[in-house]
Formats: sequence, C-alpha cells, structure tokens
Amino acid sequence: KNEVEQSPQNLTAQEGEFITINCSYSVGISALHWLQQHPGGGIVSLFMLSSGKKKHGRLIATINIQEKHSSLHITASHPRDSAVYICAFAVRTDKLIFGTGTRLQVFP
Amino acid sequence: GAVVSQHPSWVICKSGTSVKIECRSLDFQATTMFWYRQFPKQSLMLMATSNEGSKATYEQGVEKDKFLINHASLTLSTLTVTSAHPEDSSFYICSARGDSGYGYTFGSGTRLTVV
Repeated sequence: KNEVEQSPQNLTAQEGEFITINCSYSVGISALHWLQQHPGGGIVSLFMLSSGKKKHGRLIATINIQEKHSSLHITASHPRDSAVYICAFAVRTDKLIFGTGTRLQVFP
Repeated sequence: GAVVSQHPSWVICKSGTSVKIECRSLDFQATTMFWYRQFPKQSLMLMATSNEGSKATYEQGVEKDKFLINHASLTLSTLTVTSAHPEDSSFYICSARGDSGYGYTFGSGTRLTVV
C-alpha cells in the first residue's frame, strides 16, 4: 500500500464548478503540502498545513490529522486552474513523499 | 516569497557530452537542496539530497558518478549529467529548503533531451 494516495487521478470540470481533490496518508506526519505542477513542468507550493484549514484566494486546504486525510478545494474553477495537483509530506530526513497527483482540466 | 531560479529551462545535447543544471535560491539560504527526475505523466523521483558543503546523498539506483551534484554555497547547487545518453532525457527539477519552517521551494525545471 502506498503511503499516500490521491483521488481522483483525473478530473474534468466546467468553468465555475467547485473542485475537491482528496489525499489520504498512512503514517503520522507533522505537515502536509499541496503542490501545483503547471503543464510546463514548474511546481508551485500552494499550502503547507499541519492542522485545520488554510485559504488562499479561491483555494482552500483542510487537514484532519486524526483521520490522516486532507482535501484541496477550488472554488469557482477557471481554465487557468488546469494543472496537476500533488499532495506530499516529509519524513524524518526531510525527503518529500509524493502522491500520484490529480490531473485537473477545467473547460470554459 | 522564496524563489528558486533554475537554468536552463531546456537543453538539447549530443550523446556523450555533459550538461550542467543550476539552481539558485534568490532570497533565502538553501541549507538543503533536493534533485528530482520526472518521466512523462509520472510522479517526481528523488535522485539525491545535498546539504551545503557536504557530499550529496544519492537514492538507491542513482549513479553518483553520472549525476554529479555540487552544493558549494548556500545559494547555489548544480547537477551535472555526465556522458549523457538518450535514456537520460527527462525533466529535472530542484527543490530547496531553508532553515526556517518546513517550506520547500521548487525550481521551474529543466527539460533535457539527449540526441
């Protein structure tokens, strides 16, 4: 079993829809990261969270440490949100363990 | 916010030549640098971790003599692909971490094509 699993693997949406991407992990962690990889390959760190909820613009990330689950929500999705979204966490040596990613396509 | 500049963004080289990729942290001190490789539609694969002034720690299966990593200063790390072969064609991306907090800042990546 992978240490971190994401769902769905692929997601298509119409512009304006509310998007949810889920991440479940199997080990105790201190912080979870949400990353966005653009079609060109560059990666942007969206959130690092260890409890509760964080919001940045139309993006909201939540985490439930007891249930070992995190979600990334996108409100009022836009075609420019099309990207691969990756959850990740660091283990003892600072190495990031990555989820398999969710490929999101938002159509106008 | 923290920025990591990675160059070049793409490079085409002939088989047998060497290619150097640079990652610079522009506004923070990168005590730890991570180098990743990514194949199309796959997740990032960690190649090595380097701390400033120390030898890099390579992941199992990564040839340290082929992928030379130097982290000589707190703002610069380089990955040199030596004697490149077509199978080394891939997307390479670095990530830097400073002393404060748990944040990781990624470079923009380098697409290497070996012909």
